[in-house]
Amino acid sequence: GDSVTQMEGPVTLSEEAFLTINCTYTATGYPSLFWYVQYPGEGLQLLLKATKADDKGSNKGFEATYRKETTSFHLEKGSVQVSDSAVYFCALSPFSGGYNKLIFGAGTRLAVHP
Amino acid sequence: DAMVIQNPRYQVTQFGKPVTLSCSQTLNHNVMYWYQQKSSQAPKLPFHYYDKDFNNEADTPDNFQSRRPNTSFCFLDIRSPGLGDAAMYLCATATGAGNEQFFGPGTRLTVL
Repeated sequence: GDSVTQMEGPVTLSEEAFLTINCTYTATGYPSLFWYVQYPGEGLQLLLKATKADDKGSNKGFEATYRKETTSFHLEKGSVQVSDSAVYFCALSPFSGGYNKLIFGAGTRLAVHP
Repeated sequence: DAMVIQNPRYQVTQFGKPVTLSCSQTLNHNVMYWYQQKSSQAPKLPFHYYDKDFNNEADTPDNFQSRRPNTSFCFLDIRSPGLGDAAMYLCATATGAGNEQFFGPGTRLTVL
């Protein structure tokens, strides 16, 4: 079945460091891909998305490119801040034609220190 | 502000004692979802409502049920909670297929 695999955390970085969180997926058809972020004590928030191959999603300095050939959707940011500390979830939505079911990865905790 | 609200944020129940978790939304979205997230694991979808149509995933435990009395509210009933049902339960809404899901803060369920 469809699945998402993320790199294990925690990822610990200094402020202004470069961030990469790897995400690969297994799916039939042409899924949409998402990154969600969960700050402490809050719900999941959509960070960015891409709906077809070679699309680049971007938001708040974060970017991810939908790579069909490598089945990947890696999250990157050029310069992280302490406020980026959170848990990041990669997710896919299979092409079902019916509803937007999300299949999540296990999440990667990011800790940024000054 | 339009939002998804889950109450309570923390719920403690005893083994085998029925428990109900609630979710409400002011977004007027057609679709409401319940996700179960166990510690350090990915959120998983037991079921969802598209309007009043209930959709069950194949591996949803038999002791999980859900009710949606109107557009705004959705309830998750666990008839006989076991220790394995302890988890964070996330409610989400969406306007329809292919659209962004909006999540509530979650309810953390502890089973003693």
